[in-house]
Amino acid sequence: QVQLVESGGGVVQPGGSLRLSCAASGFTFSYYGMHWVRQAPGKGLEWVAFIRFDGSNKYHSDSVKGRFSISRDNSKNTLSLQMNSLRAEDTAIYYCANSDYWGQGTLVTVSS
Amino acid sequence: QSVLTQPPSASGTPGQRVTISCSGSSSNIGRNTVYWHQQLPGTAPKLLIHSNNQRPSGVPDRFSGSKSGTSASLAISGLLSEDEADYYCAAWDDSLNGWVFGGGTKLTVL
Repeated sequence: QVQLVESGGGVVQPGGSLRLSCAASGFTFSYYGMHWVRQAPGKGLEWVAFIRFDGSNKYHSDSVKGRFSISRDNSKNTLSLQMNSLRAEDTAIYYCANSDYWGQGTLVTVSS
Repeated sequence: QSVLTQPPSASGTPGQRVTISCSGSSSNIGRNTVYWHQQLPGTAPKLLIHSNNQRPSGVPDRFSGSKSGTSASLAISGLLSEDEADYYCAAWDDSLNGWVFGGGTKLTVL
């Protein structure tokens, strides 16, 4: 069955970096554009970034532009999110998703 | 403030029909298809409706979606206690080059 499994979350100090990964299985990963979406504690869903199926185009929300970078490796069925210069307001559960499925999420906490 | 506008809450009794609205603009709902996602308490979101009104395999036909112009709605008929969840509308936005979401509607089954 389809699985999207995120990893790499944790506690990091303000200004620090983290790299999230999403391992995809059960579908043809290289056919799908992929998103990162986050959800701050007690809040709604916020789109973070998108990458086209072949990696040719990448888009980031204004709130993370210049700090986060989405990438993918279709040979390894893996989606990544490099997060730099982290701020307290980046604290959230980060989900990878495509147009049909969501992962279970990984928690990122930015705190000193 | 979310790009798409949803009511923050909705409620109904078992067996009733409830609808949740989602209002957007010409750059998102007006040009692109609408998705609805269900988030049960403490779990990840799950796709409920795609392409405005299509249900993925496994989603009961009690759930239906519609779209008109720059607005969309989700209808849930024959309400069950297990439908108590947060519901989010979403669409691609051509100006922002990304998904936009509604703020979410918390559905309570009385």
